[in-house]
Amino acid sequence: AQSVTQPDIHITVSEGASLELRCNYSYGATPYLFWYVQSPGQGLQLLLKYFSGDTLVQGIKGFEAEFKRSQSSFNLRKPSVHWSDAAEYFCAVGARGTDKLIFGTGTRLQVFP
Amino acid sequence: DTGVSQDPRHKITKRGQNVTFRCDPISEHNRLYWYRQTLGQGPEFLTYFQNEAQLEKSRLLSDRFSAERPKGSFSTLEIQRTEQGDSAMYLCASSFLGGTGVEKLFFGSGTQLSVL
Repeated sequence: AQSVTQPDIHITVSEGASLELRCNYSYGATPYLFWYVQSPGQGLQLLLKYFSGDTLVQGIKGFEAEFKRSQSSFNLRKPSVHWSDAAEYFCAVGARGTDKLIFGTGTRLQVFP
Repeated sequence: DTGVSQDPRHKITKRGQNVTFRCDPISEHNRLYWYRQTLGQGPEFLTYFQNEAQLEKSRLLSDRFSAERPKGSFSTLEIQRTEQGDSAMYLCASSFLGGTGVEKLFFGSGTQLSVL
């Protein structure tokens, strides 16, 4: 079955600290992987995506993610978190040619000053 | 690029009533998607259109749900005889399917439905 698992429901970090949000997927075909961010009451904004090639992808707002096929993971990282990064983060998987994405349950990030 | 617009932002209705939501995608986008998001969950795919054709419907979409995209531009999602379990955020997204495949989904801010 195709699925995405985000094992951390809620993460709290101090401003300036590093961040890693975990994502594991189960997908039959070659996966296309995405990270989205959602602020309260807002739609989802794409942070970054992986289709092929370099397994370390750079996104907006200083985020990056690394695709590890052997671990079926696509973890999101940021070296120094800003208070404005507080939001809900969703990992998603899909196939080429479709936006019918399967989303994880999300990780809520809280940032303390 | 004015983004994906959804109307209304919030809808409160009584159980058994019908509701209709509207989505205006980015103008040059040929694909339009509807997702549903309940509290504490990620978005779940409901249905999508390529131009005016509805190409796929999720099993989540019961007979009470119907979606249209009559001229390949805006779309409506109607829920008949609403139930409390229909309470959720309904998200619309659009994208452009080109020769290299779909690149990016743009989401609207959603319509929050509360069924009392």
